[in-house]
Amino acid sequence: DSGVTQTPKHLITATGQRVTLRCSPRSGDLSVYWYQQSLDQGLQFLIQYYNGEERAKGNILERFSAQQFPDLHSELNLSSLELGDSALYFCASSVGQVGYGYTFGSGTRLTVV
Amino acid sequence: AQSVTQPDIHITVSEGASLELRCNYSYGATPYLFWYVQSPGQGLQLLLKYFSGDTLVQGIKGFEAEFKRSQSSFNLRKPSVHWSDAAEYFCAVGVSPASKLTFGTGTRLQVTL
Repeated sequence: DSGVTQTPKHLITATGQRVTLRCSPRSGDLSVYWYQQSLDQGLQFLIQYYNGEERAKGNILERFSAQQFPDLHSELNLSSLELGDSALYFCASSVGQVGYGYTFGSGTRLTVV
Repeated sequence: AQSVTQPDIHITVSEGASLELRCNYSYGATPYLFWYVQSPGQGLQLLLKYFSGDTLVQGIKGFEAEFKRSQSSFNLRKPSVHWSDAAEYFCAVGVSPASKLTFGTGTRLQVTL
């Protein structure tokens, strides 16, 4: 157990639907990062939050949004889902300094049918 | 922007043989460098990291990596591979303490008995 908890582990949904992925960071970590992993795109950075505030944005679609709550857990919202959104979505946390590296959760596998 | 190249998509080695996985980065200064391992269906686990000091760093599971500034490389090595090392390995780079990590496309390691 890495200490980063992601729920659900698996999600199957239809095109056009909306889902919410949840991440609880490791105790003491203030930063949360979301990554999308697919066979054709590899690991793509989506967004970073630090202590409740958005810190950096990557290749995140406008249909996707995220937030980090006061208790530091984070949610990634994916809407108007398309087949191409099927992927593994990882959350990682860190104390806030990249030099310490990230701790990854085990991911949420999203399948859009 | 920084980038990471892992030239080998797939490597096969015999159990007990030595291993070297290549990683090249593109960045003007010394970046923060990491190697992660991902077993099937799992999240990414940090093997080792470098951002200053001794250019040869030791990690978990008997892995080591050497930073070579002149070659912009951070290759991962292991003297004797075990069957349990079969997994996907990712090199990653960060450029500042607060930056996100950019990951390479990964190298899949297969170990034959």
